[in-house]
Amino acid sequence: GDSVTQMEGPVTLSEEAFLTINCTYTATGYPSLFWYVQYPGEGLQLLLKATKADDKGSNKGFEATYRKETTSFHLEKGSVQVSDSAVYFCALMGNQFYFGTGTSLTVIP
Amino acid sequence: ETGVTQTPRHLVMGMTNKKSLKCEQHLGHNAMYWYKQSAKKPLELMFVYSLEERVENNSVPSRFSPECPNSSHLFLHLHTLQPEDSALYLCASRRGTSGPSKTGELFFGEGSRLTVL
Repeated sequence: GDSVTQMEGPVTLSEEAFLTINCTYTATGYPSLFWYVQYPGEGLQLLLKATKADDKGSNKGFEATYRKETTSFHLEKGSVQVSDSAVYFCALMGNQFYFGTGTSLTVIP
Repeated sequence: ETGVTQTPRHLVMGMTNKKSLKCEQHLGHNAMYWYKQSAKKPLELMFVYSLEERVENNSVPSRFSPECPNSSHLFLHLHTLQPEDSALYLCASRRGTSGPSKTGELFFGEGSRLTVL
């Protein structure tokens, strides 16, 4: 069946460091891929998405490229800020939504 | 303003109480979802309501009872809960579950934090 695997956290980075959160997926067909972010005390918000192979989703300095050959959708940001501290979820949409377990990111000044 | 509003934001109840969680979406979507988020566990899909289908996760205990009176409102009725049911309950909506809208993303509310004593 469809599934998503993302890197375990927690991840702690200094401000302005480079961020990568790995996400790989298993799916039949051609799913859409998403990154969601959850700030403390809030629900999940869509961060970016990609609907087909080689698409790049981007938002707020974050990027992820839909790589069909490696079944991956890694999240990257060149320079993180304290305000990026949150939990990040990778997700795919096939016949239903499947979420990863979430990766907690803490950015320290 | 997320477009999906959940009430109450926090709820504390005893195991013998009956309470309900409410979700309302103002986005014109026609599919609504309940998810359970527990610490250190993946998001668990509990129920889906859409024009095309109602989906229930068979592992969800019968002490959770959903109600969807129309496409904008979704309730989760709670009775005789257990302490392990304490979690964040998230409501979400989507534009559609089939056709051109099938790739639409989920829009989440801010959640109802439930504590069962």
